[in-house]
Amino acid sequence: QTVVTQEPSLTVSPGGTVTLTCASSTGAVTSRYYPNWFQQKPGQAPRALIYSTSNKHSWTPARFSGSLLGGKAVLTLSGVQPEDEAEYYCLLYYGGAQLRVFGTGTKVTVL
Amino acid sequence: EVQLVQSGAEVKKPGESLKISCKGSGYSFITYWIGWVRQMPGKGLEWMGIIYPGDSDTRYSPSFQGQVTISADKSISTAYLQWSSLKASDTAMYFCARAPDDTTMVDYWGQGTLVTVSS
Repeated sequence: QTVVTQEPSLTVSPGGTVTLTCASSTGAVTSRYYPNWFQQKPGQAPRALIYSTSNKHSWTPARFSGSLLGGKAVLTLSGVQPEDEAEYYCLLYYGGAQLRVFGTGTKVTVL
Repeated sequence: EVQLVQSGAEVKKPGESLKISCKGSGYSFITYWIGWVRQMPGKGLEWMGIIYPGDSDTRYSPSFQGQVTISADKSISTAYLQWSSLKASDTAMYFCARAPDDTTMVDYWGQGTLVTVSS
């Protein structure tokens, strides 16, 4: 069973920068996993932020960016705002029978 | 405006059947995939499977294969997720989401349907 691991929780000060990572139990994450990132606030549906590693949707604030680093997918939030406090999930594509697998999620607290 | 509107909350007993829906509007329904995602109470997101309404090509994640059925009626731009015999462990929020293809991107999401299974 494939497991996609994220940090359980991270804390950041307003205006600061925080980096979230997404690792696969099968090995290094590459662009062929087409990493997607989503934000979910309590009681709400997830909202798409990033697709195919680093591409932003039309509604994605500029302070969110995606990349690959050290065999992991990375979501960076720069100039964090109080409204960025949320759970963040990555989603990787494995193809074949696995289809897609969500990460375990990272709770970002802005304090 | 792209919208995915899901059916309302359901309360069912173990062993009962259920079919929930996701209606797409504001785009060409038959040219985008629709995926289903489970979120159990207080837990993370789980990818269940995906369907291409244009030809009903359907793919299930291994954990959900045989447990649910995904279908679509392109004439009314609606995708479905159904159970033939619910279990208490099916209690969860279920989301549908649009995907332009089956690999690169998931963009728009439905508001979610809460399914509660209790005797």
